[in-house]
Amino acid sequence: GQNIDQPTEMTATEGAIVQINCTYQTSGFNGLFWYQQHAGEAPTFLSYNVLDGLEEKGRFSSFLSRSKGYSYLLLKELQMKDSASYLCAVRPTNQAGTALIFGKGTTLSVSS
Amino acid sequence: EAGVAQSPRYKIIEKRQSVAFWCNPISGHATLYWYQQILGQGPKLLIQFQNNGVVDDSQLPKDRFSAERLKGVDSTLKIQPAKLEDSAVYLCASSPPGLAGGGEQYFGPGTRLTVT
Repeated sequence: GQNIDQPTEMTATEGAIVQINCTYQTSGFNGLFWYQQHAGEAPTFLSYNVLDGLEEKGRFSSFLSRSKGYSYLLLKELQMKDSASYLCAVRPTNQAGTALIFGKGTTLSVSS
Repeated sequence: EAGVAQSPRYKIIEKRQSVAFWCNPISGHATLYWYQQILGQGPKLLIQFQNNGVVDDSQLPKDRFSAERLKGVDSTLKIQPAKLEDSAVYLCASSPPGLAGGGEQYFGPGTRLTVT
């Protein structure tokens, strides 16, 4: 079966750094995505990893280890507006299309 | 560039009634997805279209759900009859042709359905 695990909730303070972990077991692998979703809003794309290593984009970075089935999203210099749900999603290869399998999301609360 | 449009934004119906949702993807995006997101869960694929053809509908409950994309642009998703467990946000997403950049999916604002 397909399974994506991430912590349910995390808390942090403004200015801090937080790391959100994601582990996956899927039938094949063709990329891992991180999305941000504010309450009541649509998911918005943050990052994409298909090869091992770190991808950096401003305050956000994402890491992938395919051999370990593991990724993390690193958020630096946290701001209040970063309070949101962070969704880890994998594109498996054993399917007809290119849809994503999503984890349940990690709700991050940033306090002052 | 305009984003993915969806309507209505909210819908409340009684069980056994029918409901339809509409999606207009980003111009030029050949691929269109419908996802169901139940509260506290991640989105789950219902159906994927490539132009006006169905690519993957393996998780669509076909006894009550149907979807179409007749002209390869707009799409409608219908539920008939609705059940209480269909209460969820229905997200439409689109992506450009190919998998450049991973084939990033752009999501619409969703339709929040409540079945009473």
